[in-house]
Amino acid sequence: AQSVTQLDSQVPVFEEAPVELRCNYSSSVSVYLFWYVQYPNQGLQLLLKYLSGSTLVESINGFEAEFNKSQTSFHLRKPSVHISDTAEYFCAVTSNAGGTSYGKLTFGQGTILTVHP
Amino acid sequence: DTAVSQTPKYLVTQMGNDKSIKCEQNLGHDTMYWYKQDSKKFLKIMFSYNNKELIINETVPNRFSPKSPDKAHLNLHINSLELGDSAVYFCASSQGWTDTQYFGPGTRLTVL
Repeated sequence: AQSVTQLDSQVPVFEEAPVELRCNYSSSVSVYLFWYVQYPNQGLQLLLKYLSGSTLVESINGFEAEFNKSQTSFHLRKPSVHISDTAEYFCAVTSNAGGTSYGKLTFGQGTILTVHP
Repeated sequence: DTAVSQTPKYLVTQMGNDKSIKCEQNLGHDTMYWYKQDSKKFLKIMFSYNNKELIINETVPNRFSPKSPDKAHLNLHINSLELGDSAVYFCASSQGWTDTQYFGPGTRLTVL
């Protein structure tokens, strides 16, 4: 079984400030990790993912996340946020074991990021 | 061109009714999913299909029945609707189980 904990339900921040959204996971097998973003009244969009290779992954809009196996974490960071980054962010994990885990994403509870002017 | 579409977007109905939600993807993916997002925004997978075959069936009441007529469609039929079924239901698709899942816009179901 696997689980995901997002440590902050809400993160308020001022525009151009740095931000970190924390995500910890638990799994008995190797995992793939994802961050999804949900803008108001919309579906989820993939922000970035870690499958293998470099533990630091980046998105096209300036977010990055680092897979830390020893701390079982996949925190999301951005050095300078914009008003348009206001949204809810979900961390998710799936095992790479296949079989009955086929595509089964387990999501965290979500973190609402609010960027103030 | 909408990649993953769902109909209807909103659905308001009475307890005890039967309703269906439809999902279509034009991405050529072979795997499709249904998720439920509750009032606290918690997302949980309900079902997944790969090439029209049911792969994941979480502990969902058997009042919920998915049906995949072809690889591009995955419909969700709900019998005898209950108040607790009120939620936003998201359809998603991917090419292979490690690939990015693309989500539809969601269907907000309200049971009165």
